[in-house]
Amino acid sequence: QLHLQESGPGLVKPSETLSLTCTVSGGSISSSNYYWAWIRQPPGRGLEWIGTIHYSGSTYYNPSLKSRITISVDTSKNQFSLKLSSVTAADTAVYYCARLSQKNWFDPWGQGTLVTVSS
Amino acid sequence: QTVVTQEPSFSVSPGGTVTLTCGLSSGSVSTTHYPSWYQQTPGQAPRTLIYSTNIRSSGVPDRFSGSILGNKAALTITGAQADDESDYYCVLYMGGGLVVFGGGTKLAVL
Repeated sequence: QLHLQESGPGLVKPSETLSLTCTVSGGSISSSNYYWAWIRQPPGRGLEWIGTIHYSGSTYYNPSLKSRITISVDTSKNQFSLKLSSVTAADTAVYYCARLSQKNWFDPWGQGTLVTVSS
Repeated sequence: QTVVTQEPSFSVSPGGTVTLTCGLSSGSVSTTHYPSWYQQTPGQAPRTLIYSTNIRSSGVPDRFSGSILGNKAALTITGAQADDESDYYCVLYMGGGLVVFGGGTKLAVL
């Protein structure tokens, strides 16, 4: 059964770069049939798609975040990563990673990790 | 920028039927948007309910169903139960690799 797990610092200072990694187990990240996504949820608010990557390296980013996002993949480690630069308090959120199918649905999801932006 | 609209809140009586909708600020939702629906309870990751408009995810009870109603995607819960009280989110595929979440509907069962 496929399992995704987010990891990274829980606290990031304003203006710095948020870095998270999603480790995929129970299956290969190199499947041509799937993409891999980052989604976030600020406390008490709704879900927001951040971006998506294919193992080939193709990426798609939320236009509202595009200038600050880099998503990359490491097939040797079965991982993909998120970097969000110049963070502010508005970037405080639970960050989820998920698999995105060709039919454009997210499943499974990681458990999520809370990242707080504060000095 | 395209906004995906959902009712902010809804209530249903136990055993009742409720239909939540997912629309676009401009235009109509169709099957080519591949509507999907997710259920989220506090502190938990979202759970996939429906994808590709009307396909139930594995293990989802058949009292959850998806459809296109008029110009919106719809999630219908038939025979609502207490543990259906959750937040529900829809997702639409906008083309070019872009997806957009709706703002979510908080469903109360009372």
